[in-house]
Amino acid sequence: DAGVTQSPTHLIKTRGQHVTLRCSPISGHKSVSWYQQVLGQGPQFIFQYYEKEERGRGNFPDRFSARQFPNYSSELNVNALLLGDSALYLCASSLERDYEQYFGPGTRLTVT
Amino acid sequence: GQNIDQPTEMTATEGAIVQINCTYQTSGFNGLFWYQQHAGEAPTFLSYNVLDGLEEKGRFSSFLSRSKGYSYLLLKELQMKDSASYLCAVRDLSGNTPLVFGKGTRLSVIA
Repeated sequence: DAGVTQSPTHLIKTRGQHVTLRCSPISGHKSVSWYQQVLGQGPQFIFQYYEKEERGRGNFPDRFSARQFPNYSSELNVNALLLGDSALYLCASSLERDYEQYFGPGTRLTVT
Repeated sequence: GQNIDQPTEMTATEGAIVQINCTYQTSGFNGLFWYQQHAGEAPTFLSYNVLDGLEEKGRFSSFLSRSKGYSYLLLKELQMKDSASYLCAVRDLSGNTPLVFGKGTRLSVIA
């Protein structure tokens, strides 16, 4: 069975640019959550989507946005990139909103 | 608010037993998870506790005391491959965050 998939695996961007990260959940999972993990820290919650609606938002600026598509895949968009946005971005899917989360391999974003 | 504390680093010897503690403060507790994360990789699920007591799964066990806001992960017969970060995460239904993670405990297993 395919797990959570994310693309791209690695990405290098310049300050001020925009980035789009993609996530495909496990088949049948309706909820997708996005986390940012800076080196040496635990994952920090960014967004949760369930049935294509935003159900939770962490303490991140409006430069961060996301959406979920009818097939339950999701995109995370970050505008006006800052050096501090360099991190591992993790997507996690769950069957329902409050069920156990399964993480994808992550996208390593480097902003120079 | 939510607060999760766990030690930053631990070192243990191959073949030994190690206990990683986690304390938490939440208002809408609905379960505690332990994840293992190797460097540069995604977290992988280890255990889940929602009721008090011990959950055993092979070499790994996890304990929860809701009244004390305390959990621990016990790793037996340590192997070199157990060197990783161990993340404690709490599900809190009072807020918008599905999981609140601690900063992780980096475990080094030495020969």
